[in-house]
Amino acid sequence: QVQLVQSGSELKKPGASVKVSCKTSGYTFSTYAINWVRQAPGQGLEWMGWSNTISGYPTYAQGFTGRFVFSLDTSVSTAYLQISSLKPEDTAVYYCARGEGGLTPYDHWGQGTLVTVSS
Amino acid sequence: DIQMTQSPSSLSASVGDRVTITCRASQSISTYVNWFQQKPGKAPKLLMYAASSLQSGVPSRFSGSGSGTDFTLTISSLQPEDFATYYCQQSYSVPPTFGQGTKLQIK
Repeated sequence: QVQLVQSGSELKKPGASVKVSCKTSGYTFSTYAINWVRQAPGQGLEWMGWSNTISGYPTYAQGFTGRFVFSLDTSVSTAYLQISSLKPEDTAVYYCARGEGGLTPYDHWGQGTLVTVSS
Repeated sequence: DIQMTQSPSSLSASVGDRVTITCRASQSISTYVNWFQQKPGKAPKLLMYAASSLQSGVPSRFSGSGSGTDFTLTISSLQPEDFATYYCQQSYSVPPTFGQGTKLQIK
């Protein structure tokens, strides 16, 4: 069955970096895009952007450029989200989600990774 | 960006009730609306796509309708497992924006 399994919770200090992984299985990695969605504590869902798993080309939403980097390792069917120069306001649950592109329904999601930024 | 406004923000209902959640887009988006259910501590789950198409495995008590700017998600007979937060999302243009959520609570 289709699975997206994310790495575990992270506690980081301001200014540090974090890399969240999203390991997929149960389907051919290159046939679906990987989207990233953020959910701040007690808040709603916010689309961060997506990775084209064929070209590797990332697309970032406004507000997620510069410090946020999407990458892929197709050899292990895994997508990554790296956030640098972490700020307390980056504290959130980060989800990866499968879709045919950025504007298609996300039919399978990872379980989420809580990133906490605190001194 | 297209704004998606859900109403109500919260709703109390009883098992067996019929419930409708509304989502309004800030511009016409044809039928490019998806609905998600999220339970505490869990990832969102896709319920409906293209406004009225039921995702595989989702119970038929869930239905969706609408086009243009106004959309609804209806649960025909609430079950205990349906108490959750529901989000609409437009997939008409980038960025694909979500509504603020509707929390469905037990009365």
